[in-house]
Amino acid sequence: DADVTQTPRNRITKTGKRIMLECSQTKGHDRMYWYRQDPGLGLRLIYYSFDVKDINKGEISDGYSVSRQAQAKFSLSLESAIPNQTALYFCATSEAAGGPETQYFGPGTRLLVL
Amino acid sequence: KNQVEQSPQSLIILEGKNCTLQCNYTVSPFSNLRWYKQDTGRGPVSLTIMTFSENTKSNGRYTATLDADTKQSSLHITASQLSDSASYICVVRGGQGAQKLVFGQGTRLTINP
Repeated sequence: DADVTQTPRNRITKTGKRIMLECSQTKGHDRMYWYRQDPGLGLRLIYYSFDVKDINKGEISDGYSVSRQAQAKFSLSLESAIPNQTALYFCATSEAAGGPETQYFGPGTRLLVL
Repeated sequence: KNQVEQSPQSLIILEGKNCTLQCNYTVSPFSNLRWYKQDTGRGPVSLTIMTFSENTKSNGRYTATLDADTKQSSLHITASQLSDSASYICVVRGGQGAQKLVFGQGTRLTINP
């Protein structure tokens, strides 16, 4: 079984709809991240969490919110989807600081907002 | 501004040939640099990590170099295989408290038979 899973893998939605992308991990890592990837651009950080009660904004958090329900789960919500949120979304995890902090990525969720 | 620039944007080579991908960065202070491989439709997977004191590190047919003085890194792939077709992403960790990760836009490598 994959260590980092994302659901759904693909989603088509309409402008104005609220949607949630979910991420689960079995690696036992404290740190979790949400990124989006657009063609020709590097991965950009949306939100990150270092623990269950810890939520931090990344560089492009506007229009998104997150919930860290448990150590293993980190959800990303688009409150009112718009077409420029069409992108590939990745969840990632890493161990706490002090080690190499390798990030382990999920398989991605491809989102299309019409 | 903390930036990571990769070149070329895309590259096509024949199976069995070697190639080198470049990464230039302006992230300061520098903590480490990592190369990821991203297969189509998959998440990135770490290939190698380099810290300030390391000049060269190999992982099978992949060899990464780092010149911290010129803020440049390269990823050399030897005897390419069809399975090497992927995007290769350079990521630099740094900034205050070494908490900032800056991603390059990636190099799309295609290996043709």
